[in-house]
Amino acid sequence: QKEVEQNSGPLSVPEGAIASLNCTYSDRVSQSFFWYRQYSGKSPELIMSIYSNGDKEDGRFTAQLNKASQYVSLLIRDSQPSDSATYLCAVNRGGTSYGKLTFGQGTILTVHP
Amino acid sequence: DTEVTQTPKHLVMGMTNKKSLKCEQHMGHRAMYWYKQKAKKPPELMFVYSYEKLSINESVPSRFSPECPNSSLLNLHLHALQPEDSALYLCASSPVAGIYEQFFGPGTRLTVL
Repeated sequence: QKEVEQNSGPLSVPEGAIASLNCTYSDRVSQSFFWYRQYSGKSPELIMSIYSNGDKEDGRFTAQLNKASQYVSLLIRDSQPSDSATYLCAVNRGGTSYGKLTFGQGTILTVHP
Repeated sequence: DTEVTQTPKHLVMGMTNKKSLKCEQHMGHRAMYWYKQKAKKPPELMFVYSYEKLSINESVPSRFSPECPNSSLLNLHLHALQPEDSALYLCASSPVAGIYEQFFGPGTRLTVL
């Protein structure tokens, strides 16, 4: 079992729709969870962080965390063509890991006009 | 200033060359990281520096030698690399080494001939 798994893509949604990206993790003691957006040829850009169970909203983005199910998701409302990118889920187990981020394989999102 | 800078943007080197990658942050962060990203793969952690001391070395070959001259600077010295070391090298920083958000620089695209 991979440490961090994301729903296989690519994911294609029409402009204005909601894009739903999912991620599961295997280490139950993981403490912090992040979503990064990466455009082709660029570096990862942090778009959301979440540390406790529940929802966290920032503009068109909502992150959801369920530690009991070891599941974290990202919803993008009113998707725009500029949202087309690879979305990386990253997990930090804390403790002696000294900040090590473990990434999922990424989900490619395409928003078509 | 919430920016991590990296130089050079691109680097082409032969297998007998010695070169260095540089990373700088002015956010007052005390943890800095080197990640390696191959094409169509997620970033993989190489090294973590916490308060200018090496905290994690993810079994990286000795041809990669990190250095943290001060809290704002991080270098990666390269020597006798192999073609399979060609990748995007990413520097990141966070307030401290722990569960906190990490911010990535633009990366250095390295090609080893």
